[in-house]
Amino acid sequence: DVKVTQSSRYLVKRTGEKVFLECVQDMDHENMFWYRQDPGLGLRLIYFSYDVKMKEKGDIPEGYSVSREKKERFSLILESASTNQTSMYLCASSSLGWGGGAGNEQFFGPGTRLTVL
Amino acid sequence: AQKVTQAQTEISVVEKEDVTLDCVYETRDTTYYLFWYKQPPSGELVFLIRRNSFDEQNEISGRYSWNFQKSTSSFNFTITASQVVDSAVYFCALSLANTGNQFYFGTGTSLTVIP
Repeated sequence: DVKVTQSSRYLVKRTGEKVFLECVQDMDHENMFWYRQDPGLGLRLIYFSYDVKMKEKGDIPEGYSVSREKKERFSLILESASTNQTSMYLCASSSLGWGGGAGNEQFFGPGTRLTVL
Repeated sequence: AQKVTQAQTEISVVEKEDVTLDCVYETRDTTYYLFWYKQPPSGELVFLIRRNSFDEQNEISGRYSWNFQKSTSSFNFTITASQVVDSAVYFCALSLANTGNQFYFGTGTSLTVIP
């Protein structure tokens, strides 16, 4: 059974703290993604990666960074958490396949609900 | 620019009613893919269906059916005889052949099925 796991379901942090959200997939997928989900805004792409040590900015990268040192692990980093980063964070992965995997489904983790106080 | 619009923010139906969730997309690309995902209260998005731009055949899977019409840039999702377990947020997404596997999501439709 394919699996994308995220390190925490719920997380509470203080403003200014450095926050790490971890995502691990066991499907040997090349592509990995970080989204944030907010009411009325749907899913917005923060960063994605097509390979180890490779990263691309999505639609809303400001205030975030990522790390992909191993193929199965993709970390999202909030360098200095702020209250406007309170959100649900979803990780996803997909296989590269032909054409960069355009037609491939993305597999999602259960999400991390982050609250920044 | 690419865009997916799900105009229905929230829908409530009584159990056993049919319901259609609308999805309208915008792209100038000729090769693209459309997806529907379900997000139950547990939070994890579950893949339902994928369609490529060259295949306009409608699809039926049990109580679920999808109507893809390129002429109106729509990819609508119908649930027949709805059940309480269908209560979830449903997302439509677009992927382009020339941007790898980057998805453009709609804002989602929250469906509540009342027993």
